[in-house]
Amino acid sequence: EAEVAQSPRYKITEKSQAVAFWCDPISGHATLYWYRQILGQGPELLVQFQDESVVDDSQLPKDRFSAERLKGVDSTLKIQPAELGDSAMYLCASSFTSGSNEQFFGPGTRLTVL
Amino acid sequence: QKEVEQDPGPLSVPEGAIVSLNCTYSNSAFQYFMWYRQYSRKGPELLMYTYSSGNKEDGRFTAQVDKSSKYISLFIRDSQPSDSATYLCAMKGGSYIPTFGRGTSLIVHP
Repeated sequence: EAEVAQSPRYKITEKSQAVAFWCDPISGHATLYWYRQILGQGPELLVQFQDESVVDDSQLPKDRFSAERLKGVDSTLKIQPAELGDSAMYLCASSFTSGSNEQFFGPGTRLTVL
Repeated sequence: QKEVEQDPGPLSVPEGAIVSLNCTYSNSAFQYFMWYRQYSRKGPELLMYTYSSGNKEDGRFTAQVDKSSKYISLFIRDSQPSDSATYLCAMKGGSYIPTFGRGTSLIVHP
């Protein structure tokens, strides 16, 4: 069964360091999402890609976060420098199209900033 | 006030019980309503989605939407310990991005 892949699964870093997360969506899915989920809360969108283009990054803290999907397939989310408040689960999801009601989530990357 | 409100629980029930999970919302533009299940340390998994008002059934799961009351429910019949997870409601309107509730933690004990 096709799945969204993410790595690493867990990341521990010190504040002010740089971290990067990788996501490989389900093959053929044009739309890719990065969400942040703080413990005890629902996921909140950081950025949405349609193929290689950013559709919505209004909630992405652009002073420290960046995201790219250069060839319209896999994607990288970077944080530099990391802050204590960035500790959260970072989820990647994909869907066949942007209008699809079904988003498939990866297992997430649990980030802890010390 | 958040657009989507969901009691975080935990909700603890015995095996075999009927479980009722609920969300309320404030945005009248929401048209699609979804329920996700999230096991500990995993990503959310879509269980069901419905469009507008009404009921939808899938096996032991039934989703209900009452747009007049801005209230949605997920019922689980014959609950099993394997149903223990966090259940997230999500909804969307004209935007393609869903708004999620905070999730309800469900514990089904043998």
